[in-house]
Amino acid sequence: DAKTTQPNSMESNEEEPVHLPCNHSTISGTDYIHWYRQLPSQGPEYVIHGLTSNVNNRMASLAIAEDRKSSTLILHRATLRDAAVYYCILRDSISSGSARQLTFGSGTQLTVLP
Amino acid sequence: DAGVTQSPTHLIKTRGQHVTLRCSPISGHKSVSWYQQVLGQGPQFIFQYYEKEERGRGNFPDRFSARQFPNYSSELNVNALLLGDSALYLCASSSKVERRSYGYTFGSGTRLTVV
Repeated sequence: DAKTTQPNSMESNEEEPVHLPCNHSTISGTDYIHWYRQLPSQGPEYVIHGLTSNVNNRMASLAIAEDRKSSTLILHRATLRDAAVYYCILRDSISSGSARQLTFGSGTQLTVLP
Repeated sequence: DAGVTQSPTHLIKTRGQHVTLRCSPISGHKSVSWYQQVLGQGPQFIFQYYEKEERGRGNFPDRFSARQFPNYSSELNVNALLLGDSALYLCASSSKVERRSYGYTFGSGTRLTVV
């Protein structure tokens, strides 16, 4: 059962910011929000994760709503190489075994237009 | 540094056969997980191993098995192959499996086709 909801697809123009939304209304207090992306013919790639506060790294920023029921992955300047499927995943930080594994949904297919 | 390496990259098998897929984690990573990705879907968790012990198992039949070796590499075995086993099999490694959040590093996968 997917615990997150994402749009199936989004488009962006090259060198413009992209905001990828994710809804997770049933998130628990111990769930971290993870984002991975999968480029064509490759395995998923870790992008960023957070718990409550907004997070920044060299790849992207993660904005987490105050009630934690939604989050947004922000790519500040999209490039053609950012075209991928982006997965928003909740990961329980205190459970063990299968419960702590990554449960992928269908993700958002991001198309970057030149 | 080498990332997660998987072999072979592509494989074609016949229904009923057995297959073994291999994974070498990033140096220093002690945890290996296996995922199955059917075309058009997100990856599904199969197994996790840490320090040679199974730490998690997904909803897959007993035809699927795995093991981890002392050097932390891992094998995924699938017996009595079915057409529906055709998929991309992904291996992911991580450094810890403790009560913290951390990121996984995935390999590029093995594309298995069952005919």
